[in-house]
Amino acid sequence: GQSLEQPSEVTAVEGAIVQINCTYQTSGFYGLSWYQQHDGGAPTFLSYNALDGLEETGRFSSFLSRSDSYGYLLLQELQMKDSASYFCAVPSTGGGNKLTFGTGTQLKVEL
Amino acid sequence: DAMVIQNPRYQVTQFGKPVTLSCSQTLNHNVMYWYQQKSSQAPKLLFHYYDKDFNNEADTPDNFQSRRPNTSFCFLDIRSPGLGDAAMYLCATSGRQGTEQFFGPGTRLTVL
Repeated sequence: GQSLEQPSEVTAVEGAIVQINCTYQTSGFYGLSWYQQHDGGAPTFLSYNALDGLEETGRFSSFLSRSDSYGYLLLQELQMKDSASYFCAVPSTGGGNKLTFGTGTQLKVEL
Repeated sequence: DAMVIQNPRYQVTQFGKPVTLSCSQTLNHNVMYWYQQKSSQAPKLLFHYYDKDFNNEADTPDNFQSRRPNTSFCFLDIRSPGLGDAAMYLCATSGRQGTEQFFGPGTRLTVL
């Protein structure tokens, strides 16, 4: 089976940098995705890492270490609107279409 | 704008009364998914269609069924809703690789 663990909650202040970690156990690995979901809203795709290293997209960056079965999402210059839940996700065994989502991290940004 | 649309946004039904949720997409994606999401939990995949091929998750209750009459539309039928089926139901689409999925706004189902 597949399992992904994330911290349940992270709190940070506006303007700060925050890192949301994700550790995974999978029988096969094809990459790590990150999604953002605001309260009452739909998940929105943020990034995908297939290879080790850091991928940067504006204020958000995502990192992957396949040897450590670990990744993180880095949010810089935090804004109040970044308060949301963040999920890591992996494709199903065999590289198919399905995603297994992590437990989710609720990020609270405070003034 | 290309998008995923779900109707209705809110659905109230009675215990045991069948309900159908609908999803349509203008992205022309091959794959469509139905997820169930309960409060403070991750989305849980119920089933997905790869074109016309239906793929059911092993732990999806028989109470849940789906139809995809064409590329653009997909339906979720709950034959006899129980109180435990109250949740947000999310429809999503993707191209042939599912790493980037596009979600609709969801239908929040209440069971009385």
